[in-house]
Parts: sequence; C-alpha cells; structure tokens
Amino acid sequence: DAGVTQSPTHLIKTRGQHVTLRCSPISGHKSVSWYQQVLGQGPQFIFQYYEKEERGRGNFPDRFSARQFPNYSSELNVNALLLGDSALYLCASSLIQGGDQPQHFGDGTRLSIL
Amino acid sequence: GENVEQHPSTLSVQEGDSAVIKCTYSDSASNYFPWYKQELGKRPQLIIDIRSNVGEKKDQRIAVTLNKTAKHFSLHITETQPEDSAVYFCAASIPGGYNKLIFGAGTRLAVHP
Repeated sequence: DAGVTQSPTHLIKTRGQHVTLRCSPISGHKSVSWYQQVLGQGPQFIFQYYEKEERGRGNFPDRFSARQFPNYSSELNVNALLLGDSALYLCASSLIQGGDQPQHFGDGTRLSIL
Repeated sequence: GENVEQHPSTLSVQEGDSAVIKCTYSDSASNYFPWYKQELGKRPQLIIDIRSNVGEKKDQRIAVTLNKTAKHFSLHITETQPEDSAVYFCAASIPGGYNKLIFGAGTRLAVHP
C-alpha cells in the first residue's frame, strides 16, 4: 500500500510569491494534518482537516490556509511568502480524527524562499 | 502553554549499548505519546506509541515508559545498532479531540560500531 504522498518534493520561491503544496493520505485515512519543520527543530502543527472541514489550527498567520477534497487529499497554501517560511512541510494522515490516533507522515515538501 | 521538553539533544553510544531519551510534557490532559525516528532527508517514521492508560509498552528492542503523575515519558533502545542512528522526536497529543501533536526538539542519536 502506498503511504502518504506529497508533491512537489522541492520548491524554490521568492519573497512575496504564493505556493500550493499537495498531499494524498494513506488509502482509507480521512484525516490530514499539516506540520512545518524548520531545520534542527521538531515539526510544528499548522492545520488538521477531517471530513473536508478544518478541525484544528496552530499558531500560524492567516497567510497559511488549507483545504481537503472529497477524496481526502489536501492542499496547503501559503501567500506572501517570507524568508522565514523556508522549511520542510510535512503532511500526516490518520484513519479518523482523535488525539490518540497514530499519524503517519509523508516525505515532505522542502520549500526554500530566496 | 503547550510544551514538550526533550533530553538529551545529542546522544552518542557504542554499538550494543542501551540508549535512553526522556521527555516531559506540560498538559496533564494529554493522552497519547508517539515517538518518531527521522533519518537524514527522510520522513518522520512512527516507531512506537503509548496511551495514557498504559505504563509501559515494548516492541522488540524498543520500549516506552510513561509516568502520568510526573508527566514524563521515555524511550529505551537496547542492543543499539548503527542503523539506529537518527534523530528521535517525542510528541504529546493536545486534548480537544483533534490530531494535534506537540513535538520535542529532537535527540540526535549516534551509534558507533
């Protein structure tokens, strides 16, 4: 079975641009969460979506938005990119919503802002 | 606020020795504690997890212990091998019913042959 897949793997943007990152969860998983991992740190929660609705949001500015589609795939959008947005963006899926549900990560999208 | 502290930040052991990584969480309502292994340039891989109604869980050479009173949990790796070398992250769930994890800062484990 395929795991969590993310695209693209790498992306280079300049300040002020917009970016869209994509995630396909493990087959059968209905919950998708997005995390930002800055080099040398642990992942930081951005959003969680379940059944196409936002269920949780981390401490990120409104420049960050996301959505989930009927097939449970998800997109993360970031507007007005800043140098500080350079990071590895990870998507994690779980079978259902719930704080005790195992989350499985994709390989991430490495975003570099010039 | 929500916080997970992880120690040590780096750990160097000889092959065959044991390694212990410790974490402390702040929210007493947290009920799920996973551990992830992240090799360089790869995804965080879930290696073991424990729920708050259990004190200890083992899976071959790895084990996790949980002390809810002290809000501590630890990862134990026995008979370490060079392929255990990676960054290990602990995490704690945030109450509220959604899938938010708070991660520690990570421990870089080096196992020397």
